[in-house]
Amino acid sequence: SQQGEEDPQALSIQEGENATMNCSYKTSINNLQWYRQNSGRGLVHLILIRSNEREKHSGRLRVTLDTSKKSSSLLITASRAADTASYFCATDHSGGYQKVTFGIGTKLQVIP
Amino acid sequence: DAGVIQSPRHEVTEMGQEVTLRCKPISGHNSLFWYRQTMMRGLELLIYFNNNVPIDDSGMPEDRFSAKMPNASFSTLKIQPSEPRDSAVYFCASRPGTGDEQYFGPGTRLTVT
Repeated sequence: SQQGEEDPQALSIQEGENATMNCSYKTSINNLQWYRQNSGRGLVHLILIRSNEREKHSGRLRVTLDTSKKSSSLLITASRAADTASYFCATDHSGGYQKVTFGIGTKLQVIP
Repeated sequence: DAGVIQSPRHEVTEMGQEVTLRCKPISGHNSLFWYRQTMMRGLELLIYFNNNVPIDDSGMPEDRFSAKMPNASFSTLKIQPSEPRDSAVYFCASRPGTGDEQYFGPGTRLTVT
């Protein structure tokens, strides 16, 4: 089964609103990464947060990590139509070799 | 850098034929991943190479699938014989080092009829 699970699976909002996506995982991690995938394209890395960090910002993106709850959230502020895409979290596992596992993604639609 | 390069971008083949997908990772990256993406299963890791050595191939669906990385700048994923259920988008990704983000190629859309 997938390590990371995104929630919700689909989200539709109006342009200008904030979008929040969540990711839960099961085992200890070294870091957690968020990626975006536009339709028909490969995944693009957005932001990486390490296990000893709690919050990270990059432009309109804000990521939080709660290792006690094994969860992360991605907030996109002031959304734009161009933010319409699928968003995936990936967990870089601790121990052994660092296997990276992707969730099933959240499909975000931003309505102009 | 041109990024991760995959070829072909689209492949249509008949059931039973051999299919070879190719990937050129970003120069200097020491890890390479092959993924398969379908609507039903999402993004699945097939195999992971580190310094050209296969580290984890537990995601390879069956013996019909094989992957090689003869050198640091080239990898292939082969399906022989192909079946309609292999139809998917296959992505290759490379990573500079452990703990870093992955850089994805544009993918190969495979259709097996």
